[in-house]
Amino acid sequence: QVQLQESGPGLVKPSQTLSLTCTVSGGSISSGDYYWSWIRQPPGKGLEWIGSIYHSGNTYSNASLQSRFTMSVDRPENQFSLKLTSVTAADTAVYYCARAFSVSSKREDNWFDPWGQGALVIVSS
Amino acid sequence: QSVLTQPPSVSGAPGQRVTISCTGSSSNIGAGYDVHWYRQLPGTAPKLLIYGNSDRPSGVPDRFSGSKSGTSASLAISGLRAEDEADYYCQSYDSRLGGSWVFGTGTKVTVL
Repeated sequence: QVQLQESGPGLVKPSQTLSLTCTVSGGSISSGDYYWSWIRQPPGKGLEWIGSIYHSGNTYSNASLQSRFTMSVDRPENQFSLKLTSVTAADTAVYYCARAFSVSSKREDNWFDPWGQGALVIVSS
Repeated sequence: QSVLTQPPSVSGAPGQRVTISCTGSSSNIGAGYDVHWYRQLPGTAPKLLIYGNSDRPSGVPDRFSGSKSGTSASLAISGLRAEDEADYYCQSYDSRLGGSWVFGTGTKVTVL
């Protein structure tokens, strides 16, 4: 079964760039009608979708983060990555990577499964 | 600020049935987009509970059921158990601002 694992620095200074990588195991990132996604959860708060990337490279992002957001896919390494620039304390959160899918092939009806265990990123000087 | 509203908390005694509502609008649930539900135990990642409004992934007991009507959806948990104490989130798609996947505000279920 497919498993996802986030990796990256746990501490980022304000105004710098947050970089995270998600490694996919148990399946190829290039196969299937999947959207590889990032979701975050500030401490004690709810879930926020950040963005998703299709294996072709097409990306979709939360409009509130679009100007600071970059996603990419590394097919040989079976990984996908997130970069978020000009971070502030408001970007402190647990960042989850997840696979999005829909049996109808309508991406709007995608659900997220499975999820990685999450990586806490703290923005602080 | 989520566009899907859930009650902050619901509670019930063991064996009882509880329901969690997820209220949206004409740009998300009311537009016909599917609703999905997740359960998040403390300190762990969310896990898919219901997909496509009412379908259960393999391994999820039939004590959990989902429904959708108009601009709202609901998750029902019957035969409440201590291990059901967790946070529950609904998720759908919203067509505004270029479109985005959105989550509900979350509901804490407490087993009395």
